[in-house]
Amino acid sequence: AQSVTQPDIHITVSEGASLELRCNYSYGATPYLFWYVQSPGQGLQLLLKYFSGDTLVQGIKGFEAEFKRSQSSFNLRKPSVHWSDAAEYFCAVGLYTGTASKLTFGTGTRLQVTL
Amino acid sequence: NAGVTQTPKFQVLKTGQSMTLQCAQDMNHEYMSWYRQDPGMGLRLIHYSVGAGITDQGEVPNGYNVSRSTTEDFPLRLLSAAPSQTSVYFCASRGQKIYEQYFGPGTRLTVT
Repeated sequence: AQSVTQPDIHITVSEGASLELRCNYSYGATPYLFWYVQSPGQGLQLLLKYFSGDTLVQGIKGFEAEFKRSQSSFNLRKPSVHWSDAAEYFCAVGLYTGTASKLTFGTGTRLQVTL
Repeated sequence: NAGVTQTPKFQVLKTGQSMTLQCAQDMNHEYMSWYRQDPGMGLRLIHYSVGAGITDQGEVPNGYNVSRSTTEDFPLRLLSAAPSQTSVYFCASRGQKIYEQYFGPGTRLTVT
């Protein structure tokens, strides 16, 4: 069965500093990988996705992620964090069979940004 | 285009009460699903539907019922609420593009 691990429950960075959120997955085939962001009291918004091809993918809000098959990782990065990036971030792996789809989520990493 | 809407936003129930969480989407998506979000556990799939009249169980289906009579609506029913069902519930829908899954704003449910 597929699984996702986000080892960091909570991370604090200073505004303007770089950010890397870790995500490791377990899946037998080439995975579909996603990063979602959830602002307080809000639903989930898709930041970026990886299916195939270039292993460095760009997303919205200046985020990027790199797929590393050898490490089973899909870490999220941002060169310079803004205070508005404070939120909870979820990594997810997708399983698609025909028309059905199932997303398995990690437990999330809460990002705090200090000014 | 409202996307995915959920009602109510907040609900408090007593143990044993029943209620229905509403979910609707206006994107003509075939695939819809319900997740619950609990602290430290991420989102877990409760039930999903691949089209009108077709539903199936997800990871944590016990205590919940669903039906899909129309493409637009996918209600989640709690038949006899329990404190363990205190959670935030998210509805999601997906179209033909498998990566375009849209989430509703969530319903925060407390069972006392």
